[in-house]
Amino acid sequence: GQQVMQIPQYQHVQEGEDFTTYCNSSTTLSNIQWYKQRPGGHPVFLIQLVKSGEVKKQKRLTFQFGEAKKNSSLHITATQTTDVGTYFCAGPEDSGGSNYKLTFGKGTLLTVNP
Amino acid sequence: DAGVIQSPRHEVTEMGQEVTLRCKPISGHDYLFWYRQTMMRGLELLIYFNNNVPIDDSGMPEDRFSAKMPNASFSTLKIQPSEPRDSAVYFCASSPPGGRRQYFGPGTRLTVL
Repeated sequence: GQQVMQIPQYQHVQEGEDFTTYCNSSTTLSNIQWYKQRPGGHPVFLIQLVKSGEVKKQKRLTFQFGEAKKNSSLHITATQTTDVGTYFCAGPEDSGGSNYKLTFGKGTLLTVNP
Repeated sequence: DAGVIQSPRHEVTEMGQEVTLRCKPISGHDYLFWYRQTMMRGLELLIYFNNNVPIDDSGMPEDRFSAKMPNASFSTLKIQPSEPRDSAVYFCASSPPGGRRQYFGPGTRLTVL
């Protein structure tokens, strides 16, 4: 079945440093979504990328979708303590063309030292 | 607007007992998902419904797990009998028609002793 891998598993940074997490799928994706889960919280949708090579920005967050639509990255510039949490990528399983069943990566836990 | 509502938020039970988790999706959403999250396995999809009909239950671990959606505003996930390895956080999520974004509830933390 489809596999979605994320690296690194953990990342600890000093406040103000940049952070990047990478997501790789074993299959070509029609789209990719990113979620953030604060400690003790629930996943919250951040963004969806659909087009090959797409780049989207949300303030200090930059999301990229690879040209082959099999990988993606999330980059945070100048991290803040509010960025702490686990960042997940998720891609739809394409069996039967369903875009509603998502496979989540294991996530990258970001901790920020103030 | 209220988000996805789950109850209870915490459940502690003993091995062998029946556990029922409840979910109320966002009004108007026609997809409902049940996930289980553990440190070892991450976030796993158990089952999802569309218009109250189960579409894919391939993630349900075994016959001890069952899920129902009797109407558009309510779903249950039942574990009978429960086992210690079922201890996890169970999330319910919903999606609107035509939308792929999922809205997660706060989760139920289940501990089976």
